[in-house]
Amino acid sequence: EVQLVQSGAEVKKPGESLKISCKGSGYSFTTYWIGWVRQMPGKGLEWMGIIYPGDSDTRYSPSFQGQVTISADKSISTAYLQWSSLKASDTAMYYCARVVGTAMIYYYMDVWGKGTTVTVSS
Amino acid sequence: EIVLTQSPGTLSLSPGERATLSCRASQSVRSSYLAWYQQKPGQAPRLLIYGASSRATGIPDRFSASGSGTDFTLTISRLEPEDFAVYYCQQYGSSLTFGGGTKVEIK
Repeated sequence: EVQLVQSGAEVKKPGESLKISCKGSGYSFTTYWIGWVRQMPGKGLEWMGIIYPGDSDTRYSPSFQGQVTISADKSISTAYLQWSSLKASDTAMYYCARVVGTAMIYYYMDVWGKGTTVTVSS
Repeated sequence: EIVLTQSPGTLSLSPGERATLSCRASQSVRSSYLAWYQQKPGQAPRLLIYGASSRATGIPDRFSASGSGTDFTLTISRLEPEDFAVYYCQQYGSSLTFGGGTKVEIK
């Protein structure tokens, strides 16, 4: 069974750093992109960025460029989303998703993780 | 960046009725690279449709979709109780963007 298992909920203070994870199983991790999607409380879906674990090619939405870092460790089939200095406005649910495509192009998100809740509050 | 506008924001219907959801793009979506997702409260989104009209694995045939260029439609032929949810369109022809969503609620 194809699965993406995300790390657990986090509660952080403004200014702290954070790295959340997304572990893939049941498929070849290096031949699909992994995308990250933010959903703020009561709001819609926002695409943040995407990584191809095979060669670590990473693309960011203009809205999130410079705000977060996406990485992957293909040896353990895990992708990451990290912040160096959290803000209260980063409070949201974060989903990872497997993205169908090739090394050069990405398409739609066919398998989703259950999400990681991040709460940033003083 | 391609902006997707979904309408209506909320659709109030009864089980058994037909639902028609619209997704309009600010510019033409290359190769009809448009997907639809369903999200129920407390759950992750689920892929329904890709390539503007192809149903994903396991999606019932009461879900259908069509469109090209800038105008796309998702139709649920007869609403089942489990279909009341929020639906998002997403284009992947030029980077990735999501629409704002349409909530299908029980009337």
